[in-house]
Amino acid sequence: RKEVEQDPGPFNVPEGATVAFNCTYSNSASQSFFWYRQDCRKEPKLLMSVYSSGNEDGRFTAQLNRASQYISLLIRDSKLSDSATYLCVVNSLRGKLTFGTGTRLQVTL
Amino acid sequence: GAVVSQHPSWVICKSGTSVKIECRSLDFQATTMFWYRQFPKQSLMLMATSNEGSKATYEQGVEKDKFLINHASLTLSTLTVTSAHPEDSSFYICSVRGWGGSVNTEAFFGQGTRLTVV
Repeated sequence: RKEVEQDPGPFNVPEGATVAFNCTYSNSASQSFFWYRQDCRKEPKLLMSVYSSGNEDGRFTAQLNRASQYISLLIRDSKLSDSATYLCVVNSLRGKLTFGTGTRLQVTL
Repeated sequence: GAVVSQHPSWVICKSGTSVKIECRSLDFQATTMFWYRQFPKQSLMLMATSNEGSKATYEQGVEKDKFLINHASLTLSTLTVTSAHPEDSSFYICSVRGWGGSVNTEAFFGQGTRLTVV
């Protein structure tokens, strides 16, 4: 089993749609969690950290379920510019970051 | 967030030659930097942890003699791919952790270097 698993997609959604991504992790001792966005042939950029109580940043909402060991990202009112690959990142043992393979989102007109 | 500059952004080299990639932390002193590699449609894989003033720590399966890391100052780490072969063609990215160096802080990445070995 992979340490961090994501549905690779692609998710094709129309502009204005709401889309949700899930991510599961295997190490129950993981301490911190992040969502990154990666555009084609570019470096990953931090989208948001994920807190136990859940957190929201504009159109983006992240949730963490420690009992089930999954993280989610909800994007509301999708825009064309949201098209990218979304990486689930887990801080595992001794501060090592483990990346999921990413979920590709394509927002269309 | 931290500003990380990586150079070059892309390089094409002949098989058997060596390539050096630089990673600079522009706005704070980074005692630790991280080097990742990403093959197409795959996740970022940590290659090694670069430690200022001491030897790098390599992940299992990464050849330390092939991927030479030097972290001579608090703002610069270099990765040299020695005797490059086509299978080394990949996207190499460096990163630093956030302020304070806590193990729980987010990572900030350089722009990445796309290496093509022909």
